[in-house]
Amino acid sequence: DADVTQTPRNRITKTGKRIMLECSQTKGHDRMYWYRQDPGLGLRLIYYSFDVKDINKGEISDGYSVSRQAQAKFSLSLESAIPNQTALYFCATSDLRGDTDTQYFGPGTRLTVL
Amino acid sequence: GDSVTQMEGPVTLSEEAFLTINCTYTATGYPSLFWYVQYPGEGLQLLLKATKADDKGSNKGFEATYRKETTSFHLEKGSVQVSDSAVYFCALNPSGAGSYQLTFGKGTKLSVIP
Repeated sequence: DADVTQTPRNRITKTGKRIMLECSQTKGHDRMYWYRQDPGLGLRLIYYSFDVKDINKGEISDGYSVSRQAQAKFSLSLESAIPNQTALYFCATSDLRGDTDTQYFGPGTRLTVL
Repeated sequence: GDSVTQMEGPVTLSEEAFLTINCTYTATGYPSLFWYVQYPGEGLQLLLKATKADDKGSNKGFEATYRKETTSFHLEKGSVQVSDSAVYFCALNPSGAGSYQLTFGKGTKLSVIP
């Protein structure tokens, strides 16, 4: 089984709808991240969390919110989706100890907002 | 601020050709440097890393050397295979081990033809 899983893998929704993307990990890592990937722009950080009570905004947090329900679960919400939020979304994790600067990515969620 | 610049693609090579993907960076301090690979339909996977100047990261026949004097971390492989077709991302962690923030380049798409 994959260490970092994301659901759903694909989602098509309409403008104005509320959407939640979920991420779960079995790596036992404390740190979790949400990125979005747009063609030609690389990956940009949306939010990150160092533990259940520590959530921080990244480079492009406007229009998004997150919830860290447990050490292993980190959800990303779009309260009112808009078309320019169409992108590929990745969850990632990293360890608090040992190899702390390597991040491990999930398979991604492709979101289309019509 | 910190940034990563990598050569624009797409790059198309014949099988067994030599590969170089250029990556240069701007950062204060002593960043850790990474190459991540994204195969079609999948998330990013760590390919190799280097944490200090003159270190060479290597994996699956790929190599990259951390050159502080030229602020570069070019990816090379002596003989590419069709299975190497993917998007390659150069990234840095600005403060080295213990920091969380990854800054990515825009990615370079490699296609290897038989």
